[in-house]
Amino acid sequence: AQSVAQPEDQVNVAEGNPLTVKCTYSVSGNPYLFWYVQYPNRGLQFLLKYITGDNLVKGSYGFEAEFNKSQTSFHLKKPSALVSDSALYFCAVSRRAGANNLFFGTGTRLTVIP
Amino acid sequence: EAGVVQSPRYKIIEKKQPVAFWCNPISGHNTLYWYRQNLGQGPELLIRYENEEAVDDSQLPKDRFSAERLKGVDSTLKIQPAELGDSAVYLCASSPLLRTGGEETQYFGPGTRLLVL
Repeated sequence: AQSVAQPEDQVNVAEGNPLTVKCTYSVSGNPYLFWYVQYPNRGLQFLLKYITGDNLVKGSYGFEAEFNKSQTSFHLKKPSALVSDSALYFCAVSRRAGANNLFFGTGTRLTVIP
Repeated sequence: EAGVVQSPRYKIIEKKQPVAFWCNPISGHNTLYWYRQNLGQGPELLIRYENEEAVDDSQLPKDRFSAERLKGVDSTLKIQPAELGDSAVYLCASSPLLRTGGEETQYFGPGTRLLVL
């Protein structure tokens, strides 16, 4: 069975500092990994995904994520946080060679402090 | 290009009443998903359609929930009768038809926030 853990409910970071939002996963076989962001009263917006190839994936709005197979992690990073990055972030996993069913973590609320 | 459209955005009903949600996916997307997102949780899949066929409805509570996608485009999710525990945000998503499986990006609508009193 697939599952995702986001160990931090809340992450606070000062504007201009680097940010990291953590995600670990469990899936049989090789995973597809996704990050989505959710702003208040809006749906989820796709940020980036790892399918295969380079372990460092670059996505929208300056975000990137690093796939680490040995640690089963897919942490989201950004070199310099903006106040507008404050939102709820979800990590999700799906299984290769199977249905495109996403399994989401419980989300991490990022607050960027001016 | 228009995104996934959902209506209504908000709905307040009394328990035991019926309710329906509508979704129009991104043009050309053959796969459509309905998710439920409880407060403080990530979305959970209810049902997945490929064209007009429901290929995964294992998480849909079939005693009170139903869904349809008659022409393989728009979809409706219905609850009858609604219970207090159904209060949640109902999200619709769409993606292109699967190629190898699992890799297609899902694009989400804004959701319908349901409150059952």
